[in-house]
Amino acid sequence: NAGVTQTPKFRILKIGQSMTLQCAQDMNHNYMYWYRQDPGMGLKLIYYSVGAGITDKGEVPNGYNVSRSTTEDFPLRLELAAPSQTSVYFCASSYGLDRGFTGELFFGEGSRLTVL
Amino acid sequence: AQTVTQSQPEMSVQEAETVTLSCTYDTSESDYYLFWYKQPPSRQMILVIRQEAYKQQNATENRFSVNFQKAAKSFSLKISDSQLGDAAMYFCAYRMRSYQLTFGKGTKLSVIP
Repeated sequence: NAGVTQTPKFRILKIGQSMTLQCAQDMNHNYMYWYRQDPGMGLKLIYYSVGAGITDKGEVPNGYNVSRSTTEDFPLRLELAAPSQTSVYFCASSYGLDRGFTGELFFGEGSRLTVL
Repeated sequence: AQTVTQSQPEMSVQEAETVTLSCTYDTSESDYYLFWYKQPPSRQMILVIRQEAYKQQNATENRFSVNFQKAAKSFSLKISDSQLGDAAMYFCAYRMRSYQLTFGKGTKLSVIP
């Protein structure tokens, strides 16, 4: 089972460049999330989605955008990259409240982004 | 706002010994979930154990068990018979029946051969 797949795993950007982190899940989960993890810190929520066509901001949304056109995919777009966006990014998914809800999130392997 | 506090930035344990990682949380809710996630150097976040707040019985998964004290808002993780592969960052996390999982800052566990 593939689970949650993130690409790329590593990327170096120059200040002001843009890029998209891809995330796909094959578990038919309604909920999807993007987190960032800074050194010595836990994970902070950037954006989340409770279903196709529905997205909302988390704790730290500034500088990012998301879309959710299908149940499977939840890309994260970085516009005008800044050094403060240097971090490890995790995509995750889970069942919704309507079925199979266990509270657990299933994570991708993470994407390390460096902005120079 | 919910907060999760892990007061031990680093811990170490001898191989085959037992170690307990601490976690406290702040909430006014009665229905929620608590988790311990493991993050080895590979970065993958791996669920170790889950506890539903409405269950009084402490969760157990093989060598991993929790001590859930709801009134004290405490959720510690005990690792028995520690193995070298247990070395990792451990994150305590809290979730209501909503979208957001709130994480503590983590405890780095080292296992000494």
